[in-house]
Formats: sequence, C-alpha cells, structure tokens
Amino acid sequence: DAGITQSPRHKVTETGTPVTLRCHQTENHRYMYWYRQDPGHGLRLIHYSYGVKDTDKGEVSDGYSVSRSKTEDFLLTLESATSSQTSVYFCAIRGTGLTGVGYTFGSGTRLTVV
Amino acid sequence: AQSVTQLGSHVSVSEGALVLLRCNYSSSVPPYLFWYVQYPNQGLQLLLKYTSAATLVKGINGFEAEFKKSETSFHLTKPSAHMRDAAEYFCAVSGGGNEKLTFGTGTRLTIIP
Repeated sequence: DAGITQSPRHKVTETGTPVTLRCHQTENHRYMYWYRQDPGHGLRLIHYSYGVKDTDKGEVSDGYSVSRSKTEDFLLTLESATSSQTSVYFCAIRGTGLTGVGYTFGSGTRLTVV
Repeated sequence: AQSVTQLGSHVSVSEGALVLLRCNYSSSVPPYLFWYVQYPNQGLQLLLKYTSAATLVKGINGFEAEFKKSETSFHLTKPSAHMRDAAEYFCAVSGGGNEKLTFGTGTRLTIIP
C-alpha cells in the first residue's frame, strides 16, 4: 500500500474548540486531498493541495482551513468545531504510475463534536 | 464541472445472482473513472479504474466495469454475488486537467443468503 497515514484515528471534542487532523505521506506526491464522508452524501472534497503552500477550496470548505508546509504533511484545521462537523475525514494522495493515475486513501479519522 | 450519479442508494441481490451497480458521469473532458469499495468501519479500497485504455476494465474480487462514452456510463458488474461482497460502493470521476476526484453518493449492496 502507498504510505499514507492519518492521525488521530478517533477524536471527541467539544463545540467551539479548535481541532487539527494530520495526513502524512511517504510517497512524495504533489497532490493531497481532504474529504469528509457523511451518510447519503458520499465523500465530499473539503480542500486540496497541489504543492507546498499551494492549496485550494473544495465544495464544503466553510469552517475548515488547511496548511501544507512540507510535501509530506497536509493538515486540516477546524478553527471552532461545530456539531455539523461530526464526520469521518479521509485524506488522499494522487499518484501516477505504471497503471496510470490513482488515488490512495488513508484509513480515516472519526471526529465527534459534542 | 464534473459529477457522478449512482442510481440506487441500496441494492439487494441473492447470493449467486448478478450484481449490477449503476454509475453515470458528467465531464467536459475525457474522464478517469474509478470504483471504490468500503467495508463497514474501514477505509476505501480501489476495485478498478478506467484511464483511457481498454473500455472493459477488470478489477479485484471478480468485478468488472465497462466505459461507455455514448451513454456516459461506467456500470459495475459481477456475475455471481458472494456474501463477502456486502459493502458500500462508490463511483468517482476525475480527469482532463481537473485533478480533483468527485464521488457519487454511494450504493450499499446487501447480499441475501
């Protein structure tokens, strides 16, 4: 499997507190993504990055910010967590190999905002 | 803009029966198309992908999908369902300089013994 890890795997936090989720890759890929998964919505893109310090918004970016100071790390921050941000968060990387373009996903972070 | 529509949020088939999960896409450029499977409380695993080579794509666990440009479809099939196929399946599209991967809302597959 491609080297992509997410931390933490589970987190419970209180409304109004800041939360940072980390995605780490060992593949030196340029593109990294943050998605959230909710029942009935599939996976929706929050933010993505196309290089160090280069990021852009996805379809559900309100309430989230990201940073990428190194190729291997992509951080997702909830500045002030709300109950609507309770979700499972997945990080992904995009690579191009012998079989063409591919996207590989981390194991996910289950976030509960109480 | 690109989008994916998965017809049927829930599909039930009997063990040994044909599995057909439908996916239609919208893309202004030649797409890359993917099917992912997610087992309960797990992450996403790639089943198969189309990246402009053969239109009939074979994947893992006996699944295959056919890219039909005229129908803008990429339906997933398996000739004979197994109990272990019970999972949620996601179709996704990217491509043409758009490096974002856009997902459908998923289809939950139930296998009836």
